[in-house]
Amino acid sequence: QQQVKQSPQSLIVQKGGISIINCAYENTAFDYFPWYQQFPGKGPALLIAIRPDVSEKKEGRFTISFNKSAKQFSLHIMDSQPGDSATYFCAASIGVIKAAGNKLTFGGGTRVLVKP
Amino acid sequence: DAGVTQSPTHLIKTRGQHVTLRCSPISGHKSVSWYQQVLGQGPQFIFQYYEKEERGRGNFPDRFSARQFPNYSSELNVNALLLGDSALYLCASSQAWESRGQFFGPGTRLTVL
Repeated sequence: QQQVKQSPQSLIVQKGGISIINCAYENTAFDYFPWYQQFPGKGPALLIAIRPDVSEKKEGRFTISFNKSAKQFSLHIMDSQPGDSATYFCAASIGVIKAAGNKLTFGGGTRVLVKP
Repeated sequence: DAGVTQSPTHLIKTRGQHVTLRCSPISGHKSVSWYQQVLGQGPQFIFQYYEKEERGRGNFPDRFSARQFPNYSSELNVNALLLGDSALYLCASSQAWESRGQFFGPGTRLTVL
């Protein structure tokens, strides 16, 4: 059962443009929403994360927008650069439940290509 | 500071064989989680270990097992390999079992022929 749905599967953006990736979740128990960036042949790297009591979080050129009522969150990459070309994953986890650990549930990924 | 390290980098096995993958967490991190990432998909949670105890298990068959050692390093074992086990196996470490931030290693690419 896919609990986190991510779209689009891929996107192409010109250098300097804005990349927008959307995720929707089903389980209202999720309370931590990180985004990971993965380059080919590498493991995912934590980019930015948000909790549901915050509607927006910005770190450099990366911004997460969170809509709790719609159970949706998105990643905006401002001033996209060729070096941002990678696969981006949204994820979610539930607060501490002893039987569940802190496992991350990932979306399917979005392949971003930034053209120079 | 060294990040999460995993070995080997690549591995080729045949169906029915057994494989052991190894992970060393970031210094000071006591929790290790294992994920399976099939090509073109997001990682899927397999196990979490903390203080040598299993703290979470994903929806994987009993052919998958793991353990954590006193130095917090971990092994993932897969028995009776199937073609469908071909994937990138990722290890993630966190400071404690309830810590939200998880940091991933480069993964072990397993190919089952």
